[in-house]
Amino acid sequence: RKEVEQDPGPFNVPEGATVAFNCTYSNSASQSFFWYRQDCRKEPKLLMSVYSSGNEDGRFTAQLNRASQYISLLIRDSKLSDSATYLCVSRGGGADGLTFGKGTHLIIQP
Amino acid sequence: NAGVTQTPKFQVLKTGQSMTLQCAQDMNHNSMYWYRQDPGMGLRLIYYSASEGTTDKGEVPNGYNVSRLNKREFSLRLESAAPSQTSVYFCASSDAEYNEQYFGPGTRLTVT
Repeated sequence: RKEVEQDPGPFNVPEGATVAFNCTYSNSASQSFFWYRQDCRKEPKLLMSVYSSGNEDGRFTAQLNRASQYISLLIRDSKLSDSATYLCVSRGGGADGLTFGKGTHLIIQP
Repeated sequence: NAGVTQTPKFQVLKTGQSMTLQCAQDMNHNSMYWYRQDPGMGLRLIYYSASEGTTDKGEVPNGYNVSRLNKREFSLRLESAAPSQTSVYFCASSDAEYNEQYFGPGTRLTVT
């Protein structure tokens, strides 16, 4: 089974700090990558796609390292509202579909 | 624009009962998916429909059937519910197969 591995956490981070977490993927043929956030007892919501050149959306930066097969998410100036579980997702080649990691739990503390 | 809607939000079934979970999207997406999410297991794909008129098995299809009723609607049926099917079920859609997916609010199912 194609795997996406994440540190489950929780990451306890003070408000205003910068936090980063990685995920690794096992399928070297993976073509696309995404970060989703999921609040407690809610549906996953797309946070951002991850492009080969890396991409930034406000306080969030995603990077892809194909050589080492990992993607990262950096959150700057963290807010209380960033508290959530962050799901790393890879898309394999062909009809492999999406593989979801189990998520990293982030808690921003006041 | 409601996005992806699911009904019901909650359901309790007895072992052996059947039920259908409904999903509809108003984003004119071609592809639709059913997932289940269990503690410690992450999201697992049950079935998907790449386009209207097609359905395919995902990772965990046993015990389920699906129907792509039209472009908007994709239903999931449990013919004879088992306690192992206690889970949260999410429907999702995307404009093309396995592109960015948008999820519905989920159905929390308990089978006793």
